[in-house]
Amino acid sequence: EAQVTQNPRYLITVTGKKLTVTCSQNMNHEYMSWYRQDPGLGLRQIYYSMNVEVTDKGDVPEGYKVSRKEKRNFPLILESPSPNQTSLYFCASSQGTHGYTFGSGTRLTVV
Amino acid sequence: GEDVEQSLFLSVREGDSSVINCTYTDSSSTYLYWYKQEPGAGLQLLTYIFSNMDMKQDQRLTVLLNKKDKHLSLRIADTQTGDSAIYFCAERGGSYIPTFGRGTSLIVHP
Repeated sequence: EAQVTQNPRYLITVTGKKLTVTCSQNMNHEYMSWYRQDPGLGLRQIYYSMNVEVTDKGDVPEGYKVSRKEKRNFPLILESPSPNQTSLYFCASSQGTHGYTFGSGTRLTVV
Repeated sequence: GEDVEQSLFLSVREGDSSVINCTYTDSSSTYLYWYKQEPGAGLQLLTYIFSNMDMKQDQRLTVLLNKKDKHLSLRIADTQTGDSAIYFCAERGGSYIPTFGRGTSLIVHP
């Protein structure tokens, strides 16, 4: 089944403890992206990647890192999480014009 | 930069038609999309339309595009409680990077 898989689905962590949210797609898509969703703010793009080893900042990249060493994987790294990064995170991928395939989301709470 | 606007809420009675509206500013928009987000889930692509089309119909869904006014709408016929969700409009031009609206929460009541 064609899908985008994110892990974990839920995560509670403490301020300053480095964490990684993994994202993997099995559709050989070139384009991948990370979003955060907050009430009243909709979806905001954090980082995106047009292909392997090609990443770029979205609208809200501060406090996040990404890497794209392989086509299928696009992990999101929070080196030193803070409470304002408490949010619902989505990974998505696409190829051509057919819109995004989204993962199921990761709900992160930073205390 | 590009902007996509949607109203935040829409409430309809079961069996009625729902119309969710969206306006965008990017005159180079080539593709326009509607996504559905059910509670606790990711966004799911519902339908999309190319900018050289005026209308697209898919079962209960009808998408209308007024390119001159930069206005996109999604009509859901015979709305059911299972249609309750957040609906996102999105547009993209020549790049892969879409711009999303903030989403419209559709509430269907009996």
